[in-house]
Amino acid sequence: DAKTTQPPSMDCAEGRAANLPCNHSTISGNEYVYWYRQIHSQGPQYIIHGLKNNETNEMASLIITEDRKSSTLILPHATLRDTAVYYCIVRAASWGAQKLVFGQGTRLTINP
Amino acid sequence: NAGVMQNPRHLVRRRGQEARLRCSPMKGHSHVYWYRQLPEEGLKFMVYLQKENIIDESGMPKERFSAEFPKEGPSILRIQQVVRGDSAAYFCASSPPAAGAYEQYFGPGTRLTVT
Repeated sequence: DAKTTQPPSMDCAEGRAANLPCNHSTISGNEYVYWYRQIHSQGPQYIIHGLKNNETNEMASLIITEDRKSSTLILPHATLRDTAVYYCIVRAASWGAQKLVFGQGTRLTINP
Repeated sequence: NAGVMQNPRHLVRRRGQEARLRCSPMKGHSHVYWYRQLPEEGLKFMVYLQKENIIDESGMPKERFSAEFPKEGPSILRIQQVVRGDSAAYFCASSPPAAGAYEQYFGPGTRLTVT
């Protein structure tokens, strides 16, 4: 699996947009970009994923650069409950390549 | 629709005992994954199973650990002769029965403490 690089920590004010960057310069053509988060010691929570087009759901938006070498997760109106470790993962969508390889992630702290 | 269920949520074992961790996937999901998170460390993949088959066990320790996902019933992660280093949070995830860009849904985890 391609490796990803994320800043170890970020801070954001409550109510503002949180923009979390991720570099995945060695991503392959068949690999998707996934974002998960882990709040405190709970089970990881799926947020969003995409291949090359920008994606949006009720939780977040995912912006993938045209060359697919980096992406940004956007939480439009961060709340205190968004404080968590955010993981950017690349993974192929094929049999035998199903496992998620977690890096160290970004520890996002939302401040009141 | 119930999410992924894991039990027990907390498990205490003495060194040398066996630990059995159970995972019931989401309804309609037939793919199960186990991950381990050691204290203050990241999540590490252990094993990927489909019903009655182990697909990828590249993350499983070579000894004492085994996993199964029978035709009926939950998936079981079994740790024999536990040692203090096995103390960790064990998370199970499930996904639909197909290859593709399907997300995995995680359970709340089982926290194993070896005394």
